[in-house]
Amino acid sequence: DQQVKQNSPSLSVQEGRISILNCDYTNSMFDYFLWYKKYPAEGPTFLISISSIKDKNEDGRFTVFLNKSAKHLSLHIVPSQPGDSAVYFCAASRRDSGGGADGLTFGKGTHLIIQP
Amino acid sequence: NAGVMQNPRHLVRRRGQEARLRCSPMKGHSHVYWYRQLPEEGLKFMVYLQKENIIDESGMPKERFSAEFPKEGPSILRIQQVVRGDSAAYFCASSPISDSYNEQFFGPGTRLTVL
Repeated sequence: DQQVKQNSPSLSVQEGRISILNCDYTNSMFDYFLWYKKYPAEGPTFLISISSIKDKNEDGRFTVFLNKSAKHLSLHIVPSQPGDSAVYFCAASRRDSGGGADGLTFGKGTHLIIQP
Repeated sequence: NAGVMQNPRHLVRRRGQEARLRCSPMKGHSHVYWYRQLPEEGLKFMVYLQKENIIDESGMPKERFSAEFPKEGPSILRIQQVVRGDSAAYFCASSPISDSYNEQFFGPGTRLTVL
């Protein structure tokens, strides 16, 4: 039972245009969401996160939107650049009883390809 | 400030041998997480440790797998009597102690191949 779903295995976008990556979750206990970028043979790199008390967080070219009622989040990258070509993972977390966070639950990833 | 370090980067074992994977968290981080990634899959949580304590091992197979994070030294993920299905990339992540959320910082991973 996948609690975090990224339904698009791949996405192709022209350089300079907007890339929109989508993610859905089923567990209403999740209250913190993150996006990671991953190149082959490397570990995931943190991009941006959002707490469930917000509906938008922006950092440079990256914006994450959260729609709690729909249990949906999206990552917008604008403008898209060739170096953005990578696999993007959506992840979700919830607070543990000790004040830290549980292990992250990841989606299967979306391979973003930026075409020149 | 060095990032999360994992070694070895690549590990080859024959079926039945033991695999030991090491993770040194970022300086100042006291939370360590281990994840496994199978080909064409996302990362799957295995275990969450703080110094000398296992906080959550709900994602770890009940047999052959163990993890520790001693007071001194790196965190170790140990796989006994490896089988071909253990072949995967194993990632370690760390985060700082905090009463609010922090992102997890990942190491480069150890790619385990079981022959």
